[in-house]
Amino acid sequence: DAGVIQSPRHEVTEMGQEVTLRCKPISGHDYLFWYRQTMMRGLELLIYFNNNVPIDDSGMPEDRFSAKMPNASFSTLKIQPSEPRDSAVYFCASSLASGSGETQYFGPGTRLLVL
Amino acid sequence: QKEVEQNSGPLSVPEGAIASLNCTYSDRVSQSFFWYRQYSGKSPELIMSIYSNGDKEDGRFTAQLNKASQYVSLLIRDSQPSDSATYLCAVREDFNKFYFGSGTKLNVKP
Repeated sequence: DAGVIQSPRHEVTEMGQEVTLRCKPISGHDYLFWYRQTMMRGLELLIYFNNNVPIDDSGMPEDRFSAKMPNASFSTLKIQPSEPRDSAVYFCASSLASGSGETQYFGPGTRLLVL
Repeated sequence: QKEVEQNSGPLSVPEGAIASLNCTYSDRVSQSFFWYRQYSGKSPELIMSIYSNGDKEDGRFTAQLNKASQYVSLLIRDSQPSDSATYLCAVREDFNKFYFGSGTKLNVKP
């Protein structure tokens, strides 16, 4: 299996621009998670989906952030307009729902720098 | 507010020693616990999972869980320089929601 795939791996943009991050989960996984990691705040859960439906978006920092999962093999996280404080590494992860111990598998991350 | 607390470190141990990493969590209903390792510039990868009170061993790694004390730990025996990384504690709640600690940075000195 190719694992969780994220694109782009690096993104440099200017303040005010729209940024779209993409994720392909592991085939067959029915949960998809978006995280943001910074030195100051650590790994923060932004939103997660079950069977393409958003379950909890309480971690989305503000209305500038939105996420979609149009099908089981693709999700996007969009920031519009972007701000310098959005600079971070954004991880996508996926997991199965069965059992109490199913863990998450992380993608390589997208390093976002907003100038 | 659910919290997962870890000492940020760095924790420095000599090669061959035992490294002990600790984590406390605030929610008594937490059922599943995980330790992830994250190398600098890389994504987290699963090291151990534990669901029941007691110890769980996997090679050089031992996870310990005490639900009454809301405490989970990771022991790394015969530490190697390649173990130098940040170790993240994670707690899985209902509806498959995960909470992560801020991580403990481990340095294993040759």
